[in-house]
Amino acid sequence: DIQMTQSPSSLSASVGDRVTITCRTSQDIGSELGWYQQKPGKAPKRLIYAAFSLQSGVPSRFSGSGSGTEFTLTISSLQPEDFATYYCLHHKNYPTWTFGQGTKVEIK
Amino acid sequence: QLQLQESGPGLVKPSETLSLTCTVSGYSISSSSYHWAWIRQPPGKGLEWIGSIYHSGSTYYNPSLKSRVTISVDTSKDQFSLRLTSVTAADTAVYYCAHDYGGNLPDYWGQGTLVTVSS
Repeated sequence: DIQMTQSPSSLSASVGDRVTITCRTSQDIGSELGWYQQKPGKAPKRLIYAAFSLQSGVPSRFSGSGSGTEFTLTISSLQPEDFATYYCLHHKNYPTWTFGQGTKVEIK
Repeated sequence: QLQLQESGPGLVKPSETLSLTCTVSGYSISSSSYHWAWIRQPPGKGLEWIGSIYHSGSTYYNPSLKSRVTISVDTSKDQFSLRLTSVTAADTAVYYCAHDYGGNLPDYWGQGTLVTVSS
């Protein structure tokens, strides 16, 4: 099994801050990874697919990077609506899916 | 517009079987070349993929749940279902059904349904 480690588990940031979240995998998964945003009481929403491709309709302040075993989600300038929990998800062994542990972004 | 809606009991007793159905609207399950999935999220915790099914009936399960899970599909009703046997409090979670529309990642999600395991 490919293990996924997401960090940090939580962070506090202010509006306008640059935020970075990382996912690392135990094996090379190429670019087979996506990023999701989840707000309380709602289903997750996809932000990024194929490691760095921005989902249609998602603001350009969100970006993804990385390949192989290390991946990053960056929010270039945090907005009030961005306070949420973020998950990475790899599909190297599609149709099986493995989620990261999640990162809760809170207001500082 | 493809929509997913979970349904089923919100309360299940320990050791019994949890059964949920996902009804697909705006699309035909048999038309999809991709998979239909169940994902869960215990209160205050992260997301866990439970398993997936193709319209032909081929299934894939999370190894940690495989011995207790069955996912089935009814293409005539555009529904797919989840059965989880021998439940415990650890199975208390919001259960989501989802579908990937070709990107190998879940694109469409139901709103989720909370299932509590308690006597």
